[in-house]
Amino acid sequence: EAGVVQSPRYKIIEKKQPVAFWCNPISGHNTLYWYLQNLGQGPELLIRYENEEAVDDSQLPKDRFSAERLKGVDSTLKIQPAELGDSAVYLCASSPDLNTEAFFGQGTRLTVV
Amino acid sequence: QQQVKQSPQSLIVQKGGISIINCAYENTAFDYFPWYQQFPGKGPALLIAIRPDVSEKKEGRFTISFNKSAKQFSLHIMDSQPGDSATYFCAAFHSGTYKYIFGTGTRLKVLA
Repeated sequence: EAGVVQSPRYKIIEKKQPVAFWCNPISGHNTLYWYLQNLGQGPELLIRYENEEAVDDSQLPKDRFSAERLKGVDSTLKIQPAELGDSAVYLCASSPDLNTEAFFGQGTRLTVV
Repeated sequence: QQQVKQSPQSLIVQKGGISIINCAYENTAFDYFPWYQQFPGKGPALLIAIRPDVSEKKEGRFTISFNKSAKQFSLHIMDSQPGDSATYFCAAFHSGTYKYIFGTGTRLKVLA
């Protein structure tokens, strides 16, 4: 069974530029998470989807961050414009339903210069 | 109340030794406690998990000990191997909010 697939693996952009990350969850997983992981820290939730609905986006900085999950499968996370402090690893995770463990992708390491 | 405190920040253990990582939480509404293992350049992978109605769970060399009254839980890695060298995160899950709260991580190095 394929795991959670994220792309790109690495991204370097200049500040004020836009950037987008893509996530393909495990087939059949209705719940999708985007997490932010700063160096030496644990993941912090940005947004959670149940199918195509964003049910928890309270931690998403909505002035510059946006996300979508069309048709309840793949998801994209966008930052526009990027700031230096956005440099981190962006992790996508999925789970079959609300009360089962989350499976993580390898993450996208973003560097803003 | 949403924090999960993890210690130590880093740990060095000899091959064959026991690695112990501790976590503490405040919110008694948490009802699922997983441990994740993360290798450099990889996403976290579920290692073992426990629910608060059980005081201990063992899977191979990995054991979770859970103390509900103290609101603490720990990961024990028996017969630690160099291949166990990774960062370990504890987490707490709240089934009411469906939210995972992660600890800050422990970087484990097992010397050959």
